Amino acid sequence: GEDVEQSLFLSVREGDSSVINCTYTDSSSTYLYWYKQEPGAGLQLLTYIFSNMDMKQDQRLTVLLNKKDKHLSLRIADTQTGDSAIYFCAERDDKIIFGKGTRLHILP
Amino acid sequence: GAVVSQHPSRVICKSGTSVKIECRSLDFQATTMFWYRQFPKKSLMLMATSNEGSKATYEQGVEKDKFLINHASLTLSTLTVTSAHPEDSSFYICSARDRVGAFFGQGTRLTVV
Repeated sequence: GEDVEQSLFLSVREGDSSVINCTYTDSSSTYLYWYKQEPGAGLQLLTYIFSNMDMKQDQRLTVLLNKKDKHLSLRIADTQTGDSAIYFCAERDDKIIFGKGTRLHILP
Repeated sequence: GAVVSQHPSRVICKSGTSVKIECRSLDFQATTMFWYRQFPKKSLMLMATSNEGSKATYEQGVEKDKFLINHASLTLSTLTVTSAHPEDSSFYICSARDRVGAFFGQGTRLTVV
């Protein structure tokens, strides 16, 4: 069945890099996504990667995909207080399936 | 990016009444929209997939008679929570899919008292 797993909590010092990891089970996923949710708000699509790519960089964000291991990661360079949120990994085949979300906490 | 508008953002209703939540894709046509429910500190649970012009597809365990979904046009889907009870209190989020991915509404905080 479909399943997306990610760690629930990450604490990072301001200015450091944050790396959020995710594993998924559906090898037929065509796209993989990272969404950001701020408190009480909907989800914001941060970035996505095609399943035939290994890496995608977008300003401070770097997405790495290891298709063999079904592992997806999101690296946020120079983490800022505004990055504090819950980050959801998601995969898509016919419908979008989300992980439980990783709460990113920024230390001063 | 594409914009999805969800309304209302907050609603408080009495137990036993019905509440309608609207989801609109503002700058693209969405043949498919999704409705999610989020419990506190939990992930999003897909409730149903709304298809324009046809019946919605509900996930296992979701009562279709309680959560009525209508997708009458390419830009509007509605979720009606019928005979609401306090356990229906939750954060409901819709999304509309374009070619690449899904874009989400702002969410609706439903509180049933």
